[in-house]
Amino acid sequence: AQSVSQHNHHVILSEAASLELGCNYSYGGTVNLFWYVQYPGQHLQLLLKYFSGDPLVKGIKGFEAEFIKSKFSFNLRKPSVQWSDTAEYFCAVNLFGNEKLTFGTGTRLTIIP
Amino acid sequence: NAGVTQTPKFRILKIGQSMTLQCTQDMNHNYMYWYRQDPGMGLKLIYYSVGAGITDKGEVPNGYNVSRSTTEDFPLRLELAAPSQTSVYFCASRSPRWGSSNQPQHFGDGTRLSIL
Repeated sequence: AQSVSQHNHHVILSEAASLELGCNYSYGGTVNLFWYVQYPGQHLQLLLKYFSGDPLVKGIKGFEAEFIKSKFSFNLRKPSVQWSDTAEYFCAVNLFGNEKLTFGTGTRLTIIP
Repeated sequence: NAGVTQTPKFRILKIGQSMTLQCTQDMNHNYMYWYRQDPGMGLKLIYYSVGAGITDKGEVPNGYNVSRSTTEDFPLRLELAAPSQTSVYFCASRSPRWGSSNQPQHFGDGTRLSIL
């Protein structure tokens, strides 16, 4: 079955540390890729998206992600995290031509001041 | 614009009771979705709709029903509430093309539902 995997369930970092969250998917066709963030008690908000073109995508709040087609990966990065980045992060994949998004199980990020 | 509005925000039900979670959007989006979010499980799609009068099952439809009589509204109904339906429910909507706006899917603020 098609799936989206986020292997890091809970990541704890100190402020100013660098961040990389993994996302792998199992779809074989053309995909649209997304990262969402959910702050405590809030709904999901889009961080960044990839449809085509430059595989390095820049999003809001200093986040970026790199699409590596050969590895079926779309990892999220940030060079220097802040306490306000504490949240849950979800990777999501849409198979081109399909109406639905499939979400990963999420990574809880805790930043220690 | 209000975006996607969900009501109620919180609800406690007894086992066997029924209720309807309301979702309305004012962006004239054709596509609407219902998800449930459980800790460590991400979001699972319950039902979705590609337009008024058209609905389809997602990954976890059992125990739920939906209707789409208008473009704006997409209510989710629980007929016989069970403890396994304790969750946070999110409604979302989008326009037909994933890349046509900065927000591929607009999410509501969620409904936190507890079944006791």
